Amino acid sequence: AQSVTQPDIHITVSEGASLELRCNYSYGATPYLFWYVQSPGQGLQLLLKYFSGDTLVQGIKGFEAEFKRSQSSFNLRKPSVHWSDAAEYFCAESGGSYIPTFGRGTSLIVHP
Amino acid sequence: DAGVIQSPRHEVTEMGQEVTLRCKPISGHNSLFWYRQTMMRGLELLIYFNNNVPIDDSGMPEDRFSAKMPNASFSTLKIQPSEPRDSAVYFCASSRTSGGADTQYFGPGTRLTVL
Repeated sequence: AQSVTQPDIHITVSEGASLELRCNYSYGATPYLFWYVQSPGQGLQLLLKYFSGDTLVQGIKGFEAEFKRSQSSFNLRKPSVHWSDAAEYFCAESGGSYIPTFGRGTSLIVHP
Repeated sequence: DAGVIQSPRHEVTEMGQEVTLRCKPISGHNSLFWYRQTMMRGLELLIYFNNNVPIDDSGMPEDRFSAKMPNASFSTLKIQPSEPRDSAVYFCASSRTSGGADTQYFGPGTRLTVL
């Protein structure tokens, strides 16, 4: 079965600092990969996705992610975090199935 | 575009009662998903519809749960009878196609509390 691992349950950063959230997937072939963000009391919203081409993907709100096949990773990055980025972040992949598999999420806490 | 609409946003009920959650997907989307989110288990897919037909219901916990999609613009998730362990946030999401690369658009969720 496919699986997505987000090893960090919580991440705390200071406002203005850089951010990297980790994601590893298990699908053997090239998967479709997604990052979603969930603000408190809201549903999930797509930040970015990868399915082919350039391995560095740009998303909304200044986020980017890099697909690394050799590491089975799709880490999310942002050069300078804003207080409004505090939220839950979910990595997801759909490969052999059209139904995406979501990770457990990483909670981002931003200190002023 | 109104996005995915769910109702009610909050539901508090007593154990044993029937609960019905409602979802209106984005117009023109042909795939609909019901998820349950809890602290313990994270985001779980309950059921997936394509063109109003249930394709994968392997995530439905037990016979107490049922879901229907009578037309392209409406779906329900019913729990009868409800139990305290059903307390969770239930999300509906839709996507334009059934393709794996397609974005899912989530509703705001229904927070269910079973006392």
